[in-house]
Amino acid sequence: DADVTQTPRNRITKTGKRIMLECSQTKGHDRMYWYRQDPGLGLRLIYYSFDVKDINKGEISDGYSVSRQAQAKFSLSLESAIPNQTALYFCATSDPNSGLGYEQYFGPGTRLTVT
Amino acid sequence: KQEVTQIPAALSVPEGENLVLNCSFTDSAIYNLQWFRQDPGKGLTSLLLIQSSQREQTSGRLNASLDKSSGRSTLYIAASQPGDSATYLCAVGPNDYKLSFGAGTTVTVRA
Repeated sequence: DADVTQTPRNRITKTGKRIMLECSQTKGHDRMYWYRQDPGLGLRLIYYSFDVKDINKGEISDGYSVSRQAQAKFSLSLESAIPNQTALYFCATSDPNSGLGYEQYFGPGTRLTVT
Repeated sequence: KQEVTQIPAALSVPEGENLVLNCSFTDSAIYNLQWFRQDPGKGLTSLLLIQSSQREQTSGRLNASLDKSSGRSTLYIAASQPGDSATYLCAVGPNDYKLSFGAGTTVTVRA
């Protein structure tokens, strides 16, 4: 089984709808991240969390909110989806106590289309 | 703000040729640099991570170098194979939790 899973893998929704993307991990990592990827652009950080009670905005947090329900679960919500939020969304984890320079591990991604 | 650039955006080579992928960044005060591979429908797979104190890392046919003073990293893939076809992303970390990504180089290895 994959260490970092994301649901759904694909989603089409309409403008104005609320949508939640979910991420679960079995790596036991404290840190979790949400990124979005647009064609021709690098991944951009939306939110990151150091633990259940420590959540921080990233580079492009406007229009998004997150919830860290447990160490293993980190959800991203679009309160009122708009077409320019159409993108590929990735969840990632890292372990600050590892000896690997804080390597980040990514889920398979969720392709979101807002019509 | 850290800017990460990967040129070219796409590259096509015949099987067996060595691949050279470039990454440049504007701020040399980095914590680490990570190379990823991205396949369609799959997530990013970490290939190599170079800490700021290191000059290079090697794993099998892959070798990545880091020159902080010039703001450059190069990923070498020896004896390319069709299975190496993918998009390769470079990401630079100013600290132990943030990464700034380049847009990637899409590689096609022709059989």
